[in-house]
Amino acid sequence: SQKIEQNSEALNIQEGKTATLTCNYTNYSPAYLQWYRQDPGRGPVFLLLIRENEKEKRKERLKVTFDTTLKQSLFHITASQPADSATYLCALAMDNYGQNFVFGPGTRLSVLP
Amino acid sequence: GAVVSQHPSWVICKSGTSVKIECRSLDFQATTMFWYRQFPKQSLMLMATSNEGSKATYEQGVEKDKFLINHASLTLSTLTVTSAHPEDSSFYICSATGGGEAFFGQGTRLTVV
Repeated sequence: SQKIEQNSEALNIQEGKTATLTCNYTNYSPAYLQWYRQDPGRGPVFLLLIRENEKEKRKERLKVTFDTTLKQSLFHITASQPADSATYLCALAMDNYGQNFVFGPGTRLSVLP
Repeated sequence: GAVVSQHPSWVICKSGTSVKIECRSLDFQATTMFWYRQFPKQSLMLMATSNEGSKATYEQGVEKDKFLINHASLTLSTLTVTSAHPEDSSFYICSATGGGEAFFGQGTRLTVV
C-alpha cells in the first residue's frame, strides 16, 4: 500500500543545534518533493522544492536532500531558533503540473531556548 | 509568491445550518483549486478538486451533496458545508497551484454546535 511517513510526530531540540526531519515514502513515484511549514491555525507555507534528479537543495539555513533509491528526503534546519518551532510537512508531487499532491502527517518541531 | 485568501478564518454555526467558505487567488488566475480538511495533529486530507467552469472532482468518501463546491471564476472557489453536524467541525484549507508550488489559504476553523 502507499504510505508517507515522517520520522516522528514531535521533535524537541536545543536552540543553535541542527534539526533533521525525515520523510519516507512507499509505493509512490513522485515527480518532485516539497517541504512546507505550518503554524497552528494557519495554512501551510511553501519552503523548498527538490526534483528527483537533484540530490540537495539549500535556502538560507534550510537544506533538503532527496534519495529516490531510499525513497527518503531529509530536511535540515541549521542554527535552529525558537521561531523555527512549527509543524513541517513533506509533500509528494505526483505530476509535474502541481495538480496532485500527497502530504505526509507532519513533524511538530519545538526549538527550546 | 502568489497569495490565496480564505474567508472566514473561523466560524461557529448551529447544527443543521449551512456555512460557505470562500477561497480567492488574489494575484493570479487559478483554473484549479483544491480543498483540504485537517483534523487536530493530522495532515491535510484532500477533499476535492475544484475546476473553473465545471464540476468538482471529489475524493473517495467525500459526500458531494454535503460539501458543495462552486468555482464560478478564475479567482474564486467556494465550499459550502450543508446541513452541518458537529462531526463536520474541522480546519478547512484551500490551495491553488502555480509554477509547481501550492499556495494555501489561511484556513477556516469550523465549529458546529
